[in-house]
Amino acid sequence: GDSVTQMEGPVTLSEEAFLTINCTYTATGYPSLFWYVQYPGEGLQLLLKATKADDKGSNKGFEATYRKETTSFHLEKGSVQVSDSAVYFCAPFTGNQFYFGTGTSLTVIP
Amino acid sequence: NAGVMQNPRHLVRRRGQEARLRCSPMKGHSHVYWYRQLPEEGLKFMVYLQKENIIDESGMPKERFSAEFPKEGPSILRIQQVVRGDSAAYFCASSRQYQETQYFGPGTRLLVL
Repeated sequence: GDSVTQMEGPVTLSEEAFLTINCTYTATGYPSLFWYVQYPGEGLQLLLKATKADDKGSNKGFEATYRKETTSFHLEKGSVQVSDSAVYFCAPFTGNQFYFGTGTSLTVIP
Repeated sequence: NAGVMQNPRHLVRRRGQEARLRCSPMKGHSHVYWYRQLPEEGLKFMVYLQKENIIDESGMPKERFSAEFPKEGPSILRIQQVVRGDSAAYFCASSRQYQETQYFGPGTRLLVL
C-alpha cells in the first residue's frame, strides 16, 4: 500500500542554519505531495504542495521539489528562524486520503 | 472566513463512557475527513464524508466508532465505550471539492482515564 518515510527527528539547528528534512514515498498511483507543519497544541497547517513531477512548492522560505524518479519530496530552507520550531509532516495524497509520515520535530535555537 | 472548528478542544472520559467529537468545516466546504494521531505517531486517516454520506471509512475501527455529517450541523465522530487506547488527538479536515487541499482544525485531545 501507499506509505511515506520521513527523516527521523528530533532535529536541532542554530538560527540561520540550512534545513533539509528528507521524505520518500511509495504510491500505487500518481500522488500529490504536501508538507504540513504543526505548532505546539495546534492543528496541521498546509506549508506547501506540488501536484506533478518536477513541480516546486514554496512558502515562507521553504521549498520542496516533486522528484518522481526518486519518489522524494525533500523539504529545504536556506536560513531557519526560531519561529520555524514545529513538527513537519510529509504527506502524499492519493484517492481519498493523506498518508502522513511520523513527523520530524525541529527546534531552532537562537 | 473562519477556519475548521472543532470542539471540545480537550475531552476527558472514563473507560466505558461515550465520546462525541464535533467538527464544523470551513464555509463552503462539503467534504469532511477525520484523522487520529496517537502519541508519537503521525496522523492516520479514519473516514471521509460528504453531506449525509460516508464515502470512505476504510480507516475506521470496525467496532465502537461511527461518524456522520448531517445535512445541517457539524460532523460528529462518536466513540462508544471508550478504552484507554482511544486516547489520542482527533483532527478534522475539510475541503471544498474532492481531492482539493484539505484544511485542518485544531484537534480534539481525548484522554481516557
